[in-house]
Amino acid sequence: GEDVEQSLFLSVREGDSSVINCTYTDSSSTYLYWYKQEPGAGLQLLTYIFSNMDMKQDQRLTVLLNKKDKHLSLRIADTQTGDSAIYFCAVVFSGGYNKLIFGAGTRLAVHP
Amino acid sequence: GAVVSQHPSWVICKSGTSVKIECRSLDFQATTMFWYRQFPKQSLMLMATSNEGSKATYEQGVEKDKFLINHASLTLSTLTVTSAHPEDSSFYICSARDRDRSTDTQYFGPGTRLTVL
Repeated sequence: GEDVEQSLFLSVREGDSSVINCTYTDSSSTYLYWYKQEPGAGLQLLTYIFSNMDMKQDQRLTVLLNKKDKHLSLRIADTQTGDSAIYFCAVVFSGGYNKLIFGAGTRLAVHP
Repeated sequence: GAVVSQHPSWVICKSGTSVKIECRSLDFQATTMFWYRQFPKQSLMLMATSNEGSKATYEQGVEKDKFLINHASLTLSTLTVTSAHPEDSSFYICSARDRDRSTDTQYFGPGTRLTVL
């Protein structure tokens, strides 16, 4: 079955860049996603990348995809305190109804 | 665009009662909706996939008689927790897939926190 792994915690200083990493096992996913969850809230879609792309940039967010190594990363430039949240990567599992498989989530803490 | 709402946002009920949670796609039509459960500091666990006009598909280990799902229209799916017990206390999140987009992107509701006393 599909497996998605993330590091659980990342602490950065305000203004620095944050890089959150994710690895997955199923290479058939057409799209790969990053979601953000703030305390007590649902998931907010941050960005996604099509599997035939290596990189996608959207303002402060940069997504890198290495299909050979099955590695996905999210870089947040100029990290702000408002970026403190849990970040989930998710890939589509092709086994049925194209359901999303989530990583465990990376808790990003931004300190002054 | 792509807004999903849930109602209620939180609910407290007595053990043995049933609770219904609604999930609505507000500005798009969703042929497929998903129900997740999230325990504190953990990832989302998919409970079931709901397709409009057909029976829901439940993940292994999820009791279909306990968690009743109805997807009666392209904008509404409901999850009913029947005879709730304290171990059913959790954060329930729904998501919906926009049928007019090809990206398989799921848009999530804000979640419903259920506390069973």
